[in-house]
Amino acid sequence: DAKTTQPTSMDCAEGRAANLPCNHSTISGNEYVYWYRQIHSQGPQYIIHGLKNNETNEMASLIITEDRKSSTLILPHATLRDTAVYYCIVNSGGSNYKLTFGKGTLLTVNP
Amino acid sequence: NAGVTQTPKFQVLKTGQSMTLQCAQDMNHEYMSWYRQDPGMGLRLIHYSVGAGITDQGEVPNGYNVSRSTTEDFPLRLLSAAPSQTSVYFCATLGRGGPYEQYFGPGTRLTVT
Repeated sequence: DAKTTQPTSMDCAEGRAANLPCNHSTISGNEYVYWYRQIHSQGPQYIIHGLKNNETNEMASLIITEDRKSSTLILPHATLRDTAVYYCIVNSGGSNYKLTFGKGTLLTVNP
Repeated sequence: NAGVTQTPKFQVLKTGQSMTLQCAQDMNHEYMSWYRQDPGMGLRLIHYSVGAGITDQGEVPNGYNVSRSTTEDFPLRLLSAAPSQTSVYFCATLGRGGPYEQYFGPGTRLTVT
């Protein structure tokens, strides 16, 4: 599976959009981009995933560049409860039961 | 619908002791996985199962055994605990055919002294 690179930490003001980048330059054609988050040592929680089109759900938006070498997770109106470690994971859709987690990005939302 | 449950929540073991971490799910998911998370690190896959009676090794399987006799349960056994196994253990499930996200349990915090 392709490796991902994320910043170690980011800050965001409450109510503003949080934009979390992820580089995955070695992604292959059948691999999806998944985002999970982990709040204060709880079990990780799925946020969103995409293949090549931009995706949006009730939690976030996912923007994938045309060459698919990078993506951005957008939390449109960050709240204090969005403070968490965010993991960007690249995986083929057929093996989502064995994900490879990096260290992720610690997003701190400040009041 | 409880989702994924893990017991115990906390455990302290002495070196050399054995124990079983329990994981149960009520979502009828075929796939189940065990991960460990060391401080400041991401999760690493220990073992996984694609269905009852079928298990396989992940990235860090040494020192652990698993079995999957039913769809609902996927216990993780520590054979002879070592301080290096001090970690937080997460169980996760996934349904075949979608949705594509894993559901994680709340974790078991294990300390080996």
